Amino acid sequence: GIQVEQSPPDLILQEGANSTLRCNFSDSVNNLQWFHQNPWGQLINLFYIPSGTKQNGRLSATTVATERYSLLYISSSQTTDSGVYFCAVEQGAQKLVFGQGTRLTINP
Amino acid sequence: DAGITQSPRHKVTETGTPVTLRCHQTENHRYMYWYRQDPGHGLRLIHYSYGVKDTDKGEVSDGYSVSRSKTEDFLLTLESATSSQTSVYFCAIGRVQETQYFGPGTRLLVL
Repeated sequence: GIQVEQSPPDLILQEGANSTLRCNFSDSVNNLQWFHQNPWGQLINLFYIPSGTKQNGRLSATTVATERYSLLYISSSQTTDSGVYFCAVEQGAQKLVFGQGTRLTINP
Repeated sequence: DAGITQSPRHKVTETGTPVTLRCHQTENHRYMYWYRQDPGHGLRLIHYSYGVKDTDKGEVSDGYSVSRSKTEDFLLTLESATSSQTSVYFCAIGRVQETQYFGPGTRLLVL
């Protein structure tokens, strides 16, 4: 099956810093999503981005499907950005395969 | 926020006992999913449903069964719980080709 690798596994930053999270996948995909899991465990969908670039406030994502990677950018980090960020790709009908996540800690 | 609730939110049970987790949605979504989350594994798909009485297996379906008799409810059953099924279970709705919305999760401890 498809492999999804995220890097770095852990990232610690000061408030106000920018960050880039990476997601590599082993095969071509039709669908890629980014999720944020907050420190209380709630999972929130950030982007549905099979290709191209999208922006939502301080967050943006770019997927280069031909090169099998996606990047999530967080600018001017806030403590509320802390948590785990997951990317997930579609493998077959209605089946998402998740990466192991990047744990982001933003210190005040 | 999508209207998804899970019950119970926490459960402790003993090995060999049956356990049923419930996912309830008020969004009338056709697609519903059960995932488990374990340290070092991210989220893994257990089963999903694409309509009433229509279900399919995911990546880690062994030891689990599901049922969907109504659009709004998707039940996950552990017929005979084992310690390896200790995990956090998440329900989700929405097609994977669109946006998925997750419930708050259920923490299950099998002793």
